[in-house]
Amino acid sequence: DGGITQSPKYLFRKEGQNVTLSCEQNLNHDAMYWYRQDPGQGLRLIYYSQIVNDFQKGDIAEGYSVSREKKESFPLTVTSAQKNPTAFYLCASGPWGTEAFFGQGTRLTVV
Amino acid sequence: GIQVEQSPPDLILQEGANSTLRCNFSDSVNNLQWFHQNPWGQLINLFYIPSGTKQNGRLSATTVATERYSLLYISSSQTTDSGVYFCAVVFSGGYNKLIFGAGTRLAVHP
Repeated sequence: DGGITQSPKYLFRKEGQNVTLSCEQNLNHDAMYWYRQDPGQGLRLIYYSQIVNDFQKGDIAEGYSVSREKKESFPLTVTSAQKNPTAFYLCASGPWGTEAFFGQGTRLTVV
Repeated sequence: GIQVEQSPPDLILQEGANSTLRCNFSDSVNNLQWFHQNPWGQLINLFYIPSGTKQNGRLSATTVATERYSLLYISSSQTTDSGVYFCAVVFSGGYNKLIFGAGTRLAVHP
């Protein structure tokens, strides 16, 4: 199936632990994005990437890290430096400069 | 600063009613999209519309780029239209950075 796959759907993390969220796409899209959404709020941009081995900080990058070693993959690591990581995380991809499409999201809860 | 503002923030309709959602943006854009977020959190693409008018069934959208706004029209609303509608833009010179508005939360009652 073609599309954007985020895994896992639900994730629980203990305080002080790093955790990595997966985002894979098989649509040959150049651009990929990570967003965070808190309950009842809009989407805030964490990181985005236009090409392999290049990525830019968004509006709330502190406490997060990414890599883009392959065109189809853009994993997000939530580090222990992120003080309030519980949120809904959404990944998107799209051809450069045009329409973006979203995965189904990962709900991260710190326990 | 760069802003994307959506109005109204909340909207309640009876089934069958029509509505208009608005998105204002503070600078020229290369890209504008409308999304619907369903109750499970999935973002559904409605329109990619940096300029002009498009229609898809009961939904249509118009972007007037020179006046920096876009409108989403929903006709004959149904309960399944409920959810949050987001406008997102890439500002010209914005290195493909897709920025979202705060959304309009729509509730359609039977």
